[in-house]
Order: sequence, then C-alpha cells, then structure tokens
Amino acid sequence: QVQLVESGGGVVQPGRSLRLSCAASGFTFSGYGMHWVRQAPGKGLEWVALIWYDGSNKYYGDSVKGRFTISRDNSKNTLYLQMNSLRAGDTAVYYCARDWEAVGTFDYWGQGTLVTVSS
Amino acid sequence: EIVLTQSPGTLSLSPGERATLSCRASQSVSSSYLAWYQQKPGQAPRLLIYGASSRATGIPDRFSGSGSGTDFTLTISRLEPEDFAVYYCQQYSSSLYTFGQGTKLEIK
Repeated sequence: QVQLVESGGGVVQPGRSLRLSCAASGFTFSGYGMHWVRQAPGKGLEWVALIWYDGSNKYYGDSVKGRFTISRDNSKNTLYLQMNSLRAGDTAVYYCARDWEAVGTFDYWGQGTLVTVSS
Repeated sequence: EIVLTQSPGTLSLSPGERATLSCRASQSVSSSYLAWYQQKPGQAPRLLIYGASSRATGIPDRFSGSGSGTDFTLTISRLEPEDFAVYYCQQYSSSLYTFGQGTKLEIK
C-alpha cells in the first residue's frame, strides 16, 4: 500500500533553515510527481510546491517562491523540502502528497510534520 | 490565481440528514481539475471526489459531486456519524493549485 512518511520538523528560529524529508513506499516513486502542502494551526490547506516525476520541473506557491526548494532522490524514494529564511508565517504542519497528474489532485497524503518558527 | 470560496463556513446538521456544500471559483475551472477532500482532526486530508463528480477509491456512494464552470457542489445524501469533519475543494490550473477555505460540518 502507498505510504508517505514525513520527517525533519521541529522548532526553528526566524531566519534559519530547515530541511524536510518524505520517505515513499508502496508505489513506483520515480513515476509520480510529488507535492508539499502545508496547514497553519487551525487554518486551511495551502499548496507549497510540486516536482515532476524526474525532477525536471518545479513549481512553487507565491508565499514560498525564492525561499523554499523542492527536490527528490529517486534512488532513495525520498522527497525533500529545503526551507530557508523561515518566518513565523511558515509555522504549519507540512504534508507530502502524491500527484495524480491526469486530474490535478493529490491522491495520497502523509501524516505530516510540524514546523514551528519561533524565537 | 483562481480563488475558491466555500459556503457555508459551518454547517450544523443531524445524522441522517442531507448535506450540501458549495464551492465557487473566481473564474472558470475545468471540471477535470476540481476535487473535494475530507479532513478529520489530527488527520491528513483524504481525497473524496476528483474530476468534479468521480468518487475516489473506497469512498461511499452517499458522497457525490457536481457542477461546472465556477459553481461546484459536494452532496452527502444521508449523514453518518463519521462524516462530521472539515471539507475542502481544490482546483488545478496552469501548474498552480488552490484550496477553498473549508466548510466545517458539525453535529447539530
């Protein structure tokens, strides 16, 4: 069965960096695009970034463009999110999700990892 | 960027009743790229409906989606206790993805 397990969350000071990971199993990771989606405490869902199945194209939401970088290692079945210049507004649970390209949706989600940006 | 507005913000109903949730887009959305998710407290979202009206794998047939253009609807025909949750619509256009702000379905 499809499994996505995020890790790397924690408490970080404003302006610092953090890297999240998402370990995938139960499907051919190299055949799917992957996303990061976040949810601030008590708030709704916000799409963060997409990377194509082969890493050749990447897209970002406006609020993270220029600060966050999505990447993947298909040999390790792992997705990453490098987050730089973190702000209090980046505090959220970060989910990785599999892309269902044909219908533009997220068909499987991990359980999320919490990132808290605070001094 | 396409903005999705969901209504109502909160819907209070009893088990067995019918729920109708609305999602309105700021500009036309391809029906192929409109989805609905359910999220329960402490859990990740779960895909319910894709392509505006197709149920995802394992989703009961009391859930149905409809609509086109700028107006979409999620209907739950007869509410079960496990259906009380937050529901989000989502669209895809030009390599960008947006969500509605959510509708909380609570027990009356």
